[in-house]
Amino acid sequence: SAVISQKPSRDICQRGTSLTIQCQVDSQVTMMFWYRQQPGQSLTLIATANQGSEATYESGFVIDKFPISRPNLTFSTLTVSNMSPEDSSIYLCSVLLRDRSYEQYFGPGTRLTVT
Amino acid sequence: QKEVEQNSGPLSVPEGAIASLNCTYSDRGSQSFFWYRQYSGKSPELIMSIYSNGDKEDGRFTAQLNKASQYVSLLIRDSQPSDSATYLCAVRSNYQLIWGAGTKLIIKP
Repeated sequence: SAVISQKPSRDICQRGTSLTIQCQVDSQVTMMFWYRQQPGQSLTLIATANQGSEATYESGFVIDKFPISRPNLTFSTLTVSNMSPEDSSIYLCSVLLRDRSYEQYFGPGTRLTVT
Repeated sequence: QKEVEQNSGPLSVPEGAIASLNCTYSDRGSQSFFWYRQYSGKSPELIMSIYSNGDKEDGRFTAQLNKASQYVSLLIRDSQPSDSATYLCAVRSNYQLIWGAGTKLIIKP
């Protein structure tokens, strides 16, 4: 598998501010994903981030609200902009390993609370 | 709309018994199927992947796939209290995973 780290692990932010979440992988991966998970709910895909191209956003998520950077094959960031309490959630970074039969692995997550 | 269906539970199983978790999917063209375990407050952990019809065993876990019935299951033998978690079924569609809502499993000592 891959070792995936995320920073910060948790944060409490005020309404209207922005938070940037970092995701670091210990190996080069082409495809990275950002998910959101509300308490007691399943995973919701925010966007797919491929190195060298613009991120692809899922329905209901827009670049102005969730800008993503993917500067190289081991790193990505997700920014949650102009936050509201509805953005309180766990944000998860995930990578697809082609040399592991396209298995997908997750980072430990970032627990965000917006007050 | 591609869907993955799971019984949300909770499923309560006595310690030492077999826990059986089920999942159905709508996309007949799906080729890759995964089971993740998620403890409360933690991220999903991949425990089984299966790609062809039949059974795949790994320790106490057995994944079963029936593409004709569009059905995938996970059996946990000799269930332990540490198996108590939410189990997520995921089906690959192109490069994305379609997720079930998860089944909460409770193993009672």
